[in-house]
Amino acid sequence: SQQGEEDPQALSIQEGENATMNCSYKTSINNLQWYRQNSGRGLVHLILIRSNEREKHSGRLRVTLDTSKKSSSLLITASRAADTASYFCATRLSMDSSYKLIFGSGTRLLVRP
Amino acid sequence: EAGVTQFPSHSVIEKGQTVTLRCDPISGHDNLYWYRRVMGKEIKFLLHFVKESKQDESGMPNNRFLAERTGGTYSTLKVQPAELEDSGVYFCASTGWTGEAFFGQGTRLTVV
Repeated sequence: SQQGEEDPQALSIQEGENATMNCSYKTSINNLQWYRQNSGRGLVHLILIRSNEREKHSGRLRVTLDTSKKSSSLLITASRAADTASYFCATRLSMDSSYKLIFGSGTRLLVRP
Repeated sequence: EAGVTQFPSHSVIEKGQTVTLRCDPISGHDNLYWYRRVMGKEIKFLLHFVKESKQDESGMPNNRFLAERTGGTYSTLKVQPAELEDSGVYFCASTGWTGEAFFGQGTRLTVV
């Protein structure tokens, strides 16, 4: 079964608007990370939030984590056309000695100029 | 500092052929991971190396896939014989002591 699932699958907004993406997971985590993938390129690490943290900021990015609901959200404020990409959440499980990341299927964000 | 590099960037092969993907992690990173994204689906873990040892290969789909990391530096992922369902983008990532994963650009494999 899928550990991480993003919602919505696709999002289209106007430049300057905020974009919110959500991620839900099933099992206990050590941390949760958000990645961006531009078309045809690799994954770029955006932000990491640990299980004992509730909110983190990085530039125009704001991530929240609610471990009681097993969910996280990524907010991109004042979006730009260059933010157009796929966004993935990835979890690192608490009891996994491999420390591998479990990814969701991603949210495709389109920012219209 | 060079990032994670993968070669080739694209590969188109016929069903039944063999393909070998290569990943050069960031120098000094002991942990190396392979992931795969099949069209439109989630990015799935394949396996994890710590130096030259396989720490976790629970995500390898079947015995047509063989990963190696001789000497604990670069890694190769061989698919033999390739099937249509093996098409996708194969990502490699490496991590150092911080735990942050650095990904390569991926290899887009198309099996026709």
